[in-house]
Amino acid sequence: EAGVAQSPRYKIIEKRQSVAFWCNPISGHATLYWYQQILGQGPKLLIQFQNNGVVDDSQLPKDRFSAERLKGVDSTLKIQPAKLEDSAVYLCASSLVLRLAGGYNEQFFGPGTRLTVL
Amino acid sequence: AQSVAQPEDQVNVAEGNPLTVKCTYSVSGNPYLFWYVQYPNRGLQFLLKYITGDNLVKGSYGFEAEFNKSQTSFHLKKPSALVSDSALYFCAVRPLYSGAGSYQLTFGKGTKLSVIP
Repeated sequence: EAGVAQSPRYKIIEKRQSVAFWCNPISGHATLYWYQQILGQGPKLLIQFQNNGVVDDSQLPKDRFSAERLKGVDSTLKIQPAKLEDSAVYLCASSLVLRLAGGYNEQFFGPGTRLTVL
Repeated sequence: AQSVAQPEDQVNVAEGNPLTVKCTYSVSGNPYLFWYVQYPNRGLQFLLKYITGDNLVKGSYGFEAEFNKSQTSFHLKKPSALVSDSALYFCAVRPLYSGAGSYQLTFGKGTKLSVIP
């Protein structure tokens, strides 16, 4: 079974530039997550999709970050304009259909995109 | 709001010795608890989870974790450490569903485990 794919693996940009990350989840996984992992910290959820609908984007800085999952499969995360503090690894994860009650479906993580903002 | 504390930035242990990586949590109600491992330049890999039932949970690669409700802890353990266990370990918590809220996973800041040959 193929895992979660992300591209690019590395990106270096200057502040105020724009950048986009792409994620392809595991086939059949309805739920997709984007996390931001700053060096020395644990991952922080930015946005969570169930199919093509947003379940939770409470920690997404909406003035500069946006994400979409138009066909309920692939997803893109965009930063425009980037700030120095956006330097981090951006992780994509997917799981089977979101279960809130009665159990939990494991999240599978991609390798991440390391963003450096100069 | 839920939170996770991993009090040790780094744990060093000799190969063959038992290892413990500590985690304490704060959450409203009963928790779902998780351990993930991260190897360099790779994504997080699921190790084990506690939802309900036996307080001692067994996971991948010989790891286990003990849920202690009174101490709000979920320490990761392994009886005999391997050099290949050297990695970054993350504890995470999510509250049980009660009809409202986001129910996102909250991660600790991670503990770097170094197993010395």
